[in-house]
Amino acid sequence: EDQVTQSPEALRLQEGESSSLNCSYTVSGLRGLFWYRQDPGKGPEFLFTLYSAGEEKEKERLKATLTKKESFLHITAPKPEDSATYLCAVQAGGSNYKLTFGKGTLLTVNP
Amino acid sequence: DGGITQSPKYLFRKEGQNVTLSCEQNLNHDAMYWYRQDPGQGLRLIYYSQIVNDFQKGDIAEGYSVSREKKESFPLTVTSAQKNPTAFYLCASSSSWANEQFFGPGTRLTVL
Repeated sequence: EDQVTQSPEALRLQEGESSSLNCSYTVSGLRGLFWYRQDPGKGPEFLFTLYSAGEEKEKERLKATLTKKESFLHITAPKPEDSATYLCAVQAGGSNYKLTFGKGTLLTVNP
Repeated sequence: DGGITQSPKYLFRKEGQNVTLSCEQNLNHDAMYWYRQDPGQGLRLIYYSQIVNDFQKGDIAEGYSVSREKKESFPLTVTSAQKNPTAFYLCASSSSWANEQFFGPGTRLTVL
């Protein structure tokens, strides 16, 4: 059974204080790993797709990396507007459709 | 603008009633999905559809039904058989099975 574990559950940072969120996964043949951002009461917003170990992608203050067992979402010099829940999901090679989601990390950035 | 719309944003239901949640997309995506989100849990797949007039059960399909008569539309009916329907419901679509899924704004259903 595919599993995704995100840590920490919640993270509080000061504006400008860089940190990382972790997504550990167990999947039978990774087809893709996805990061989403979700604001309260809204649908998830797509951020990145990573396909193979060693791959990295960046968008503004966010950088996602992937190893064979986990992915990190690095946040550099965060701003209060980066506050949100960040979701990680994996797609297995044989599934063709299914995303397995973690429970998310609630990030709060204080000014 | 291309995107996914869901309606209504909030929905209240009395016990024993069936309700239908709307999902429309103009992204020309073939695949559409319904997820349920509960506090402290990851998103869970209810139903998905790869093409018109075809759909499959996800992990938690009991008490739900769907139809896919048009490529753009994938409505979800929450029946009275669903024991705990209060939740945030999310519709998504994707252009192919290997690509990312894009989500709508969600419908919050509350059973009174």
